[in-house]
Amino acid sequence: DAKTTQPPSMDCAEGRAANLPCNHSTISGNEYVYWYRQIHSQGPQYIIHGLKNNETNEMASLIITEDRKSSTLILPHATLRDTAVYYCIVSRTGGFKTIFGAGTRLFVKA
Amino acid sequence: SAVISQKPSRDICQRGTSLTIQCQVDSQVTMMFWYRQQPGQSLTLIATANQGSEATYESGFVIDKFPISRPNLTFSTLTVSNMSPEDSSIYLCSGMTATNEKLFFGSGTQLSVL
Repeated sequence: DAKTTQPPSMDCAEGRAANLPCNHSTISGNEYVYWYRQIHSQGPQYIIHGLKNNETNEMASLIITEDRKSSTLILPHATLRDTAVYYCIVSRTGGFKTIFGAGTRLFVKA
Repeated sequence: SAVISQKPSRDICQRGTSLTIQCQVDSQVTMMFWYRQQPGQSLTLIATANQGSEATYESGFVIDKFPISRPNLTFSTLTVSNMSPEDSSIYLCSGMTATNEKLFFGSGTQLSVL
């Protein structure tokens, strides 16, 4: 599986958009970009995933560059409860194992 | 999506003993995985639990230390054998269905070895 690079930590003001970047320059054509988050003392939670097109769901938006070498997770209106570690992962679908990197620790401040 | 019930949620054990962690999924899942998360660290994949056959272990993890069972599509166990303080971690099970294409996790087992 391709590796990802994320900043170790980021701050965001409550109510503002949180934009979390991820570089995955060695991504293969059949690999998706996945985002998970882990709130303290809980198991990771799936957020969103995509292949080429931008995706949006009730939690977040995923913007993937045209060359697929990087992506951005957007939390449109961050709340204090969004404080967590966010993991960007590239993986094939269909039951392939998921390898977690170090992630980005997002602090949402009042 | 499916829900995983994992138990125990936490335990304190003596070195040299073994602990078995159980995960029950409320629906059939294609894949199940076991992860370890050491304090302040990211998740490390221990193994893929294969239904009806031996688990597939990642580099650095062996069956004698972490035997895994998966007798059916909804249940799996991980045993941490002959424990030492270095085994103190959070252990997490996860599942994936072929249609969902995403992982979902149990709440984890926090293990402390004295």
